[in-house]
Amino acid sequence: GAVVSQHPSRVICKSGTSVKIECRSLDFQATTMFWYRQFPKKSLMLMATSNEGSKATYEQGVEKDKFLINHASLTLSTLTVTSAHPEDSSFYICSARGASGTYEQYFGPGTRLTVT
Amino acid sequence: AQSVTQLGSHVSVSEGALVLLRCNYSSSVPPYLFWYVQYPNQGLQLLLKYTTGATLVKGINGFEAEFKKSETSFHLTKPSAHMSDAAEYFCAVTPANAGGTSYGKLTFGQGTILTVHP
Repeated sequence: GAVVSQHPSRVICKSGTSVKIECRSLDFQATTMFWYRQFPKKSLMLMATSNEGSKATYEQGVEKDKFLINHASLTLSTLTVTSAHPEDSSFYICSARGASGTYEQYFGPGTRLTVT
Repeated sequence: AQSVTQLGSHVSVSEGALVLLRCNYSSSVPPYLFWYVQYPNQGLQLLLKYTTGATLVKGINGFEAEFKKSETSFHLTKPSAHMSDAAEYFCAVTPANAGGTSYGKLTFGQGTILTVHP
């Protein structure tokens, strides 16, 4: 149980275009999802926290207009990187947490974004 | 606020040797502590966690960790390394019983890459 999927696993896009990454909880309802960014040989940096049906809470320094997060249902959250630039190239990982009162996060397999 | 320090960005051991990955944390409130493993180009997999109760916790793949409050440490050990243990390991902390936007937010250490030699 507690499986989280991400799609796509890898994506290459051109500079100036937008790309959407999906995060799905496959066998549980995720009231909260987290989006992380991982630079090469670095730790995970939390970008934002999203709760189903409400606006995401972004961490300091993360541009909310550039990284659009939608958590429209209890099993799906999306991260859209708008007007992508090469510096946005990174490994993006989502995690999901179940019902209120639980603290454990289940991580997706990650999405490798390359902007050319 | 929480922070996590993992001593040693790279650790190298021989197959069959003891694995010791160090983690120290800083937290103004009681912490929940976690160890995750990440294989190349994959997400994170939970190895073990400490919340309450027994301070020595056992996880998957033969790993265990001990919460030492006096030392603010949560070091990860495995008695005998296997080639398949080669990966990157992350220690993480979240404040126990936090409410609001802090609830469940993980703070990660910098990661330790474990290499296992034949």
